[in-house]
Amino acid sequence: DSGVTQTPKHLITATGQRVTLRCSPRSGDLSVYWYQQSLDQGLQFLIQYYNGEERAKGNILERFSAQQFPDLHSELNLSSLELGDSALYFCASSIRTGNYGYTFGSGTRLTVV
Amino acid sequence: DQQVKQNSPSLSVQEGRISILNCDYTNSMFDYFLWYKKYPAEGPTFLISISSIKDKNEDGRFTVFLNKSAKHLSLHIVPSQPGDSAVYFCAASTSNDYKLSFGAGTTVTVRA
Repeated sequence: DSGVTQTPKHLITATGQRVTLRCSPRSGDLSVYWYQQSLDQGLQFLIQYYNGEERAKGNILERFSAQQFPDLHSELNLSSLELGDSALYFCASSIRTGNYGYTFGSGTRLTVV
Repeated sequence: DQQVKQNSPSLSVQEGRISILNCDYTNSMFDYFLWYKKYPAEGPTFLISISSIKDKNEDGRFTVFLNKSAKHLSLHIVPSQPGDSAVYFCAASTSNDYKLSFGAGTTVTVRA
């Protein structure tokens, strides 16, 4: 157990729907990062939050949004889902912001049918 | 635009021998490099890192080599063990950035 908790582990939904992925960072970590891993691809950075504020944005689609709450957990909202959104979504956390190496959760596997 | 590339999708090695994983990058601003290991149904776990001010970093059986002029790094695992069978990701970052750029991964299989 890495200490980063992601729920749900698996999610199957239909095109056009909206889902919410949840992440609880490791105790004491203030930064949360979201990554997407599509089939045979590396992890693609989506967005980062630090202590409740958005710090950096990657190639995140406008249909996707995220937030970090006062208790530091984060949610990634995916709407108007398309087949191509099927992927593994990883959350990671770190105590600071910056490239100190993250601790990853085990991911949420999203399948859009 | 894939700034970090792992051109070998898979590697098979006999137990006890050396595993060499390669990674190339295109962004000359990258100054921090990491290797992550991933088992099925788990998230990636940090393995070893190297700053651009060094050309080698060693941690037990794992050694990372950095060749800045060639924009190339490699991970050596000696000796390889069955538990090393996993997907290995190379990642890179800049000092002023908050994100890691990952390669597509290399699947290592250690044969008994």
